[in-house]
Amino acid sequence: GAVVSQHPSRVICKSGTSVKIECRSLDFQATTMFWYRQFPKKSLMLMATSNEGSKATYEQGVEKDKFLINHASLTLSTLTVTSAHPEDSSFYICSALVGPGNTEAFFGQGTRLTVV
Amino acid sequence: GENVEQHPSTLSVQEGDSAVIKCTYSDSASNYFPWYKQELGKGPQLIIDIRSNVGEKKDQRIAVTLNKTAKHFSLHITETQPEDSAVYFCAASRSGNQFYFGTGTSLTVIP
Repeated sequence: GAVVSQHPSRVICKSGTSVKIECRSLDFQATTMFWYRQFPKKSLMLMATSNEGSKATYEQGVEKDKFLINHASLTLSTLTVTSAHPEDSSFYICSALVGPGNTEAFFGQGTRLTVV
Repeated sequence: GENVEQHPSTLSVQEGDSAVIKCTYSDSASNYFPWYKQELGKGPQLIIDIRSNVGEKKDQRIAVTLNKTAKHFSLHITETQPEDSAVYFCAASRSGNQFYFGTGTSLTVIP
């Protein structure tokens, strides 16, 4: 299948700082990427849909000013958690659409964010 | 919007037995139904998918069935092995516009 690379896999940051997470499609171009947040033993919660060259579409309840998404190229989308707080600690996962008609979604390996 | 329900939440089977996970969806316009396997600390991995124009699809020990009328689809794993132990998620999508995930099933295969 298609390869989606997410970096970093783990990050620890201090409260009040910002953290950037990268999501790259390695062997295909992705016009659409999704960002999810996953709590322990829970399902994936869609945060936003990232479209190349346009503003991201955020789900209800997700603060767009806190979770900045940039999809500047067809192979890279970034999620920046600004002014991080301990409650932002979570597992963040991206996915990219690929396939005929762009219907199949492949996921990155996830980023474990810990805010101390 | 779409609502995907998944059962059971936990499932334990003996090695070699079969495992079945079921999902229902609410939006009749959904036409793509993937299944993902997620191991601890990793991102979900696509293991099999089915589109609405097909009733069944099989890939070695894994099969998925879809009943559009009843709006439910199921994952079948035969001859289970310990390495099949993981959390499995179903999802429903309308042409990839948005993916709605089930709540996950934690599968344990007992050697």
